[in-house]
Amino acid sequence: ETGVTQSPTHLIKTRGQQVTLRCSSQSGHNTVSWYQQALGQGPQFIFQYYREEENGRGNFPPRFSGLQFPNYSSELNVNALELDDSALYLCASSSPTFFYGYTFGSGTRLTVV
Amino acid sequence: SQQGEEDPQALSIQEGENATMNCSYKTSINNLQWYRQNSGRGLVHLILIRSNEREKHSGRLRVTLDTSKKSSSLLITASRAADTASYFCATDWMSGANSKLTFGKGITLSVRP
Repeated sequence: ETGVTQSPTHLIKTRGQQVTLRCSSQSGHNTVSWYQQALGQGPQFIFQYYREEENGRGNFPPRFSGLQFPNYSSELNVNALELDDSALYLCASSSPTFFYGYTFGSGTRLTVV
Repeated sequence: SQQGEEDPQALSIQEGENATMNCSYKTSINNLQWYRQNSGRGLVHLILIRSNEREKHSGRLRVTLDTSKKSSSLLITASRAADTASYFCATDWMSGANSKLTFGKGITLSVRP
């Protein structure tokens, strides 16, 4: 199956809780990046995983962490949720070898109450 | 922080007209990409232009890049109602495994039938 798949599509959590978001990368892509998009803003880079290792990080605190698995799928974990973490979380995959841009998933809408 | 700044912030045109959107950025880049987003969903990659290219076409899209002015423009010709969406420019200081996109805040395009 081609394309990037993210789950769940929507999620409501309480402040202080922890959340895990999941992403399956496009076939043939071994690099996964995560972005946070607040309402009315452009996406902000959280971090990138390449060959199961973190390969760069944006200006996000350590309570944002991630994993990449041998099949190149990925997880984004956020601990101690804050109200400002409410956003659309986007996963994007790419191939460093044949780089022509990113394929984004449809995102997970996280609401923290 | 957001490097790219799109102009205008909002654009409303009649179906069949051309839409021109501009983007300015601050630092050196490897490539610049344009993405479309419908109703807060995932981003769709439209076109990538590398720093050594000046113009690129893809269907009804034409992108220009002026690295001396640190600016880019996206032209959509013969617009359709289905082009109604938010458009983002994103700069990439490196391609491949270390690439990370920096987005602007986006342009809201409305195409009236």
